[in-house]
Amino acid sequence: RKEVEQDPGPFNVPEGATVAFNCTYSNSASQSFFWYRQDCRKEPKLLMSVYSSGNEDGRFTAQLNRASQYISLLIRDSKLSDSATYLCVVNEAGTASKLTFGTGTRLQVTL
Amino acid sequence: DAGVTQSPTHLIKTRGQHVTLRCSPISGHKSVSWYQQVLGQGPQFIFQYYEKEERGRGNFPDRFSARQFPNYSSELNVNALLLGDSALYLCASRELGHLRAGDTQYFGPGTRLTVL
Repeated sequence: RKEVEQDPGPFNVPEGATVAFNCTYSNSASQSFFWYRQDCRKEPKLLMSVYSSGNEDGRFTAQLNRASQYISLLIRDSKLSDSATYLCVVNEAGTASKLTFGTGTRLQVTL
Repeated sequence: DAGVTQSPTHLIKTRGQHVTLRCSPISGHKSVSWYQQVLGQGPQFIFQYYEKEERGRGNFPDRFSARQFPNYSSELNVNALLLGDSALYLCASRELGHLRAGDTQYFGPGTRLTVL
């Protein structure tokens, strides 16, 4: 079983739609959680950290369920510029800088 | 401020050769990590260096090695290249050695290595 699992997609949605991505992780010792965005042939960039209480940044909302080992990302009012791959990332306690990435979920927003 | 820089941007090598990739972290950042991203997959952790010491190692063979210099820049070396080493090699920098909740790790643009 992969340490971090995501649906690879692609998710094809029209502009203005709401889309949700899910991710599960296998190590209950995971301590920190993130969503990164990666554009084609570019480096990953931090989109947002994910906290147990849930957090929102504009049109983006992230949720963490530690009991179910489940992370989600909700994008409201999708824009064409949101088209990218969204990577679910976890960090285990005591593993310093090691980030464990999922394979990513590809989103294509269309007119 | 300059972000994380990596060189070269692209590289083509043949099987059995050796390669050295370079990374300069953001000014003031002392931690450098290396990741390998094969097409269609997420990045995989290779190494972390902090204050010139190896602090973490992923599941990669001994052909992969790295070091960090007094100015906190880093090199990743890969010996006896295999076709499967073709990937985007990413360097990430962070100020501290440990990851706190909400900490940001900044990635460089990567070096795209093709092994023929």
